[in-house]
Amino acid sequence: ELKVEQNPLFLSMQEGKNYTIYCNYSTTSDRLYWYRQDPGKSLESLFVLLSNGAVKQEGRLMASLDTKARLSTLHITAAVHDLSATYFCAVDMYSGGGADGLTFGKGTHLIIQP
Amino acid sequence: DAGITQSPRHKVTETGTPVTLRCHQTENHRYMYWYRQDPGHGLRLIHYSYGVKDTDKGEVSDGYSVSRSKTEDFLLTLESATSSQTSVYFCALGQENYGYTFGSGTRLTVV
Repeated sequence: ELKVEQNPLFLSMQEGKNYTIYCNYSTTSDRLYWYRQDPGKSLESLFVLLSNGAVKQEGRLMASLDTKARLSTLHITAAVHDLSATYFCAVDMYSGGGADGLTFGKGTHLIIQP
Repeated sequence: DAGITQSPRHKVTETGTPVTLRCHQTENHRYMYWYRQDPGHGLRLIHYSYGVKDTDKGEVSDGYSVSRSKTEDFLLTLESATSSQTSVYFCALGQENYGYTFGSGTRLTVV
């Protein structure tokens, strides 16, 4: 059974600071996704990581994937208040026969204070 | 999100009544999914479909059934709703190598 663990689950930080969210998963997979969710809203896709060593950046967010360590990171640089949200990582249960769905971490609730 | 619509957006129902949630897509995607989201649990897969009349169970399928009679519609049915099924339900479309797109969600309350 695939398990996905995120940490921390809650993070309060100040504007301008840097921080990293970690996502560990239990079985082999080379497909990992990061999503953002604002309160009462749906999930917004941030990054799609499809191979070992993949690194993607968008604005103040950068995501990476190490499939050998079964670890992905979401790094926040010089945080701003607008990045306050809940961030989820999810691993594709792709079996080779099709897209069997995602297993999600429990999410990291991020609050960025002035 | 563009191309995927969930209905209803909100529903309150009584314990023991049947409830059907609808997910409609205009993208012609083969793969469709139903998730539920609960505090402290993230999102958990209920059922998914890989084509018309082809469905399979996910992690938390007990108490739920699905049907997909045409590509664009994926229905989730709670045969006899219970309070433990109070949740936010998300439909998603999957596309290999491009990721998954989520609908706006249905907030279901069972009283």
